[in-house]
Amino acid sequence: QKEVEQDPGPLSVPEGAIVSLNCTYSNSAFQYFMWYRQYSRKGPELLMYTYSSGNKEDGRFTAQVDKSSKYISLFIRDSQPSDSATYLCAMTISGNTPLVFGKGTRLSVIA
Amino acid sequence: GAGVSQSPSNKVTEKGKDVELRCDPISGHTALYWYRQSLGQGLEFLIYFQGNSAPDKSGLPSDRFSAERTGGSVSTLTIQRTQQEDSAVYLCASSLSTNTGELFFGEGSRLTVL
Repeated sequence: QKEVEQDPGPLSVPEGAIVSLNCTYSNSAFQYFMWYRQYSRKGPELLMYTYSSGNKEDGRFTAQVDKSSKYISLFIRDSQPSDSATYLCAMTISGNTPLVFGKGTRLSVIA
Repeated sequence: GAGVSQSPSNKVTEKGKDVELRCDPISGHTALYWYRQSLGQGLEFLIYFQGNSAPDKSGLPSDRFSAERTGGSVSTLTIQRTQQEDSAVYLCASSLSTNTGELFFGEGSRLTVL
């Protein structure tokens, strides 16, 4: 079992839809959870960052962490064609350990 | 610009040749990471440098892979005797030592081994 599991998609939604992206993980020691967005032929860029359990909202984006279920989610409201990208979840135990990434979910938002 | 700079952006080489990939991190960032991204495989951790500490080499897939970081800044990833399975995008990232999780990535070096 991989440490971090993420459905690779692809996921195709109409403009304005609510998008739900998810990851599960096996290592209960993970404390820091992130979502990165990667456009084609570019490096990943940090989108959301959450410490431990709970929700975090930033504009149209909401990140949720449920440590009891070892499950994290990213919700995108009012999705736009510019949101079309690959979304990677990532997590780590502490600041001195490297991030472990999911495989990424490719999202297409159709106008 | 002030971002992470990687070179070359594209490299095509023949099986058995050695390659060097370069990363110039953001000025002031003490942590530097190398990841490999293969099609459908996500980001695979290779090596991590933090300040003057010994690097974490736990992700290097074989002894053909090595990396160094000179003067706490520029890093070079070297792959010796390249194999076709080494074909991937090699991504470098840097971060401030006090940040957890906010890595700033370069655009990567796309390596193709024929």
